[in-house]
Amino acid sequence: ETGVTQTPRHLVMGMTNKKSLKCEQHLGHNAMYWYKQSAKKPLELMFVYNFKEQTENNSVPSRFSPECPNSSHLFLHLHTLQPEDSALYLCASSQKTGADTQYFGPGTRLTVL
Amino acid sequence: QKEVEQDPGPLSVPEGAIVSLNCTYSNSAFQYFMWYRQYSRKGPELLMYTYSSGNKEDGRFTAQVDKSSKYISLFIRDSQPSDSATYLCAMSGGSNYKLTFGKGTLLTVNP
Repeated sequence: ETGVTQTPRHLVMGMTNKKSLKCEQHLGHNAMYWYKQSAKKPLELMFVYNFKEQTENNSVPSRFSPECPNSSHLFLHLHTLQPEDSALYLCASSQKTGADTQYFGPGTRLTVL
Repeated sequence: QKEVEQDPGPLSVPEGAIVSLNCTYSNSAFQYFMWYRQYSRKGPELLMYTYSSGNKEDGRFTAQVDKSSKYISLFIRDSQPSDSATYLCAMSGGSNYKLTFGKGTLLTVNP
């Protein structure tokens, strides 16, 4: 595996379900990010982790809960989501935070019924 | 005023055309400018990275930054059907290290 991988690629869940998105980077980077991409909107930064420590929470509702057990893995735990949370969730990594090139995974297409 | 403005298109051109994609921005602290390409059902991939003003060329792609006008452009020469994708501009700088993205422009190159 190379680059940034995300699983699952597609997820359909009910509003009462609990699910998790997984991201893994094989680039030796120290910073990881979660973004939300909705139709007709710019990419929205959700969370930033640097050396496993959360450095940014962009006013994300608590129904989204990130976890970064090490610099290579990032999770997004989901519970009691709303239909408007349906979107493409993208993970990215970079060598460090700052003006550094970010490499994106393929995303998880989430549909909340 | 939005921090980054990008016309979402869609933009449709014939094969071989020169394509011009643009973004304007309002934050004068931005000094790092990027263009990402996103194919359908894929994540964005970095296409061009420039610092401050000036031009940068890579094959058929040229990125241009005009900081005085707060305007950036991506030119694609001899466009190919494989260039059909959404192109996202992104920028950062100053005390804000976070990337601020445009909405993306959907480009279709017709054979």
